Formats: sequence, structure tokens, C-alpha cells
Amino acid sequence: KAGVTQTPRYLIKTRGQQVTLSCSPISGHRSVSWYQQTPGQGLQFLFEYFSETQRNKGNFPGRFSGRQFSNSRSEMNVSTLELGDSALYLCASSYTQGAGNTEAFFGQGTRLTVV
Amino acid sequence: AQSVTQPDIHITVSEGASLELRCNYSYGATPYLFWYVQSPGQGLQLLLKYFSGDTLVQGIKGFEAEFKRSQSSFNLRKPSVHWSDAAEYFCAVGAAGRGSTLGRLYFGRGTQLTVWP
Repeated sequence: KAGVTQTPRYLIKTRGQQVTLSCSPISGHRSVSWYQQTPGQGLQFLFEYFSETQRNKGNFPGRFSGRQFSNSRSEMNVSTLELGDSALYLCASSYTQGAGNTEAFFGQGTRLTVV
Repeated sequence: AQSVTQPDIHITVSEGASLELRCNYSYGATPYLFWYVQSPGQGLQLLLKYFSGDTLVQGIKGFEAEFKRSQSSFNLRKPSVHWSDAAEYFCAVGAAGRGSTLGRLYFGRGTQLTVWP
């Protein structure tokens, strides 16, 4: 089974631009979550999607948005980029085995650098 | 408020020595607990998880962890460390979200493990 695929792996953008990151979950997984990882703040939850619906949202400004498609692939978008948005963005796909037994599989991430 | 504390930012051990990485959590409901490992420039790999049942859980690569509810701890252990174990380790806590989703995970700040040959 292929793992979680995130594209692109590396990205350099200029302040004020917008960016779209993509995540393809493991086949059969319907839930996708996004996390931001920075040296200063660590791993922070952005949002979670399930069956094309946002189920949970973290404490990020409205510049951060996401969506999920019918094939479970997900995208996240950051508008009006700031220097502080430079981070490793990680996508995780998960499934539920029942009785709350779930497990998240992470992709390798997209390294975004804002200059 | 939910939180995870990993008291040790950096640990150095000799190859072959035993290892224990500490994790304490604060969570309002029954927690689901995870340990992940991250190599430089890579994503997170799940080592093990605890949902219910036996409080001593076995994971991949010879790791195990013990859930102690009274101490709000979920420490990771390995009896003999290999050089390839050098990486950053993250403890995380969560609960089942709405419906069939994992929900939000709260991560500790990580423990960087260095292994001396």
C-alpha cells in the first residue's frame, strides 16, 4: 500500500503570495489532518477533514484554509503569506478500526519557506 | 486544557544502553496516547499507541510504553538502543473525534535522542 503522499516536498514563496499544498491519503482512509511544525511552536493542529467536511479546526487565522475532495485527497491553502508561515506542513491520514481505535499515518511533509 | 509535556529536550545514550523517554499529559477525558519518531527532514512514524486494555504496549523497533493513569504518564522504553534509533521522539495525546475520525492530536515538544557508538 502506498503511504501518504504530499506534494510538493519543498516550496519557496514570497511574502504576500498564496500557496496550495496537496495531500493524497492512504487508499481507503477517509480522514485527513494537517499539522504545522516549527522550531518555535512545535507541532500544531490546523484542521481535520472527513468525507469532504471539516470536522475539527485549530487556532490558526483565516488565511489558512483547506478542503477535501470526494476521493479523500486534501489541499490546504495559505493566503497572504507571512515570514512566520515558514514551516514543515504535515498531512496525516487515518482510519477507524472501531471502538475508537484509530491511527494516523503521516506524510513526509512539505517544507515551505517564505522569503 | 489538554497538553503534553516531554521534560527532556535532549538525551544522549551509548549504543546498547537502555532508554526511557518521559511523557506526561493533561487531558480531560480518557486519553488515547501515541509515540511517534521523526528523522531529519521526514514525517512522523508511529512507534506505538494506547487506546485501552493492557497498560504495557509493545511497538515497532523493540520499543514499549507503559500507561500509568495515576501519574498521567506514558513513558517510552527500549532495553538496548541502536545507533539507528537516533532521532526525535514525540508523545501525543488525543481522543476520538466526532464520528469516525481521530480528532485533534496534542503533541509534546519532542525529545532529541543522540546515540554514542
